[in-house]
Amino acid sequence: ETGVTQTPRHLVMGMTNKKSLKCEQHLGHNAMYWYKQSAKKPLELMFVYSLEERVENNSVPSRFSPECPNSSHLFLHLHTLQPEDSALYLCASSQGYTAEETQYFGPGTRLLVL
Amino acid sequence: AQKITQTQPGMFVQEKEAVTLDCTYDTSDQSYGLFWYKQPSSGEMIFLIYQGSYDEQNATEGRYSLNFQKARKSANLVISASQLGDSAMYFCAMRGNPYSARQLTFGSGTQLTVLP
Repeated sequence: ETGVTQTPRHLVMGMTNKKSLKCEQHLGHNAMYWYKQSAKKPLELMFVYSLEERVENNSVPSRFSPECPNSSHLFLHLHTLQPEDSALYLCASSQGYTAEETQYFGPGTRLLVL
Repeated sequence: AQKITQTQPGMFVQEKEAVTLDCTYDTSDQSYGLFWYKQPSSGEMIFLIYQGSYDEQNATEGRYSLNFQKARKSANLVISASQLGDSAMYFCAMRGNPYSARQLTFGSGTQLTVLP
């Protein structure tokens, strides 16, 4: 596999469920990101990890819990979500932090919360 | 704070013609990077082209070119010889230095439809 992969691609869950989204990057990058894309809204950055350490948390509700066990893997643990959390969740990675570093995205997970 | 503005919610272009997608930005950073991404209906965000704020030449990548006008704070994407497969959502984004470098700020996007 190459690039950035995400599983599952589609997820339907009830408000009481617990699920996890997985992201894996095969690019040797040091930084990984979670974004949320809701309908008719710009992408919103949720979390940033650098070298497995969380470096940014953009006021995301605690029902979203990220985990970065190593520089290649990033998880987003979901519990007691709300219907308004239904969105496309995109994972990205980049080599570093400078302005010219390109972020490469995975295919996303389409989440529907019932 | 950084801001990206894309004023065209939707654009139509005839196959094989060129199209320009507008993007203006606002930042107080001295050094920054500008990016364009394509998002087809499948959802994946595909990187197209990058322009650095200190680059004197406009960036080009195949059929994509970036018309960078620093004084006007604009970074328009030009797609030449449009193809049906170019139909997608296009996002302009920027990343600054130093403290805002982690965050890629996206515009609201332009939905491009290529007509046969």
